[in-house]
Amino acid sequence: QVQLEQSGAEVKNPGASVKVSCKASGYTFTGYYIHWVRQAPGQGLEWMGRINSNSGGTNYAQKFQGRVTMTRDTSISTVYMELRRLRSDDTAVYYCARVSPVAFDYGGNGLEYWGQGTLVTVSS
Amino acid sequence: QSALTQPASVSGSPGQSITISCTGTSSDVGAYNYVSWYQHHPGKAPKLMIYEVNNRPSGVPDRFSGSKSGNTASLTISGLQAEDEADYFCSSYTGSYTGVFGGGTKLTVL
Repeated sequence: QVQLEQSGAEVKNPGASVKVSCKASGYTFTGYYIHWVRQAPGQGLEWMGRINSNSGGTNYAQKFQGRVTMTRDTSISTVYMELRRLRSDDTAVYYCARVSPVAFDYGGNGLEYWGQGTLVTVSS
Repeated sequence: QSALTQPASVSGSPGQSITISCTGTSSDVGAYNYVSWYQHHPGKAPKLMIYEVNNRPSGVPDRFSGSKSGNTASLTISGLQAEDEADYFCSSYTGSYTGVFGGGTKLTVL
């Protein structure tokens, strides 16, 4: 079965960077994009971007352009999301997600498989 | 890209039907049939309920249905059950392979 296993919680100082991992299993890793979505406390979901697990090509939300980098390591079926210059309002649960095999992979459409979430706390 | 607009809260009694709206613009909801709905219980991962406006993934009850008219998409839940109480988020494709979510709606089953 499809599983996405994320790395553990992080606490960072303002201005620092964080790198969250998402290890995929149960399917052909290079066959799907991985998306990143976050939810700040008391806020809605926010689409951050996606990475082509095969080519490494990325699409980022405009809000995060220049501050986020998504990469992958095909040898260990793992995708990474690095967010730099952290601010207090980056405190959130970060999720990785994959589209359903029967859905078109456009934006946040059809994200059927999700990681368990990684809490990133930015505080001095 | 601004978040899609959803009502902050809706409520209904068991057995009733409710509808949650998701309003975007002619550049997102109105332009594409790539609207999804997610159910989110606090502390758990979101669950896909509807994709591409009105398609249900395997395992989602047919009490859940989606539709779209112009720049507004809707999620209807019929025969409300206690376990339907959760937060619901819509999402839409916005072009150039990017997407946006709604602010979320808290459903209370009375």
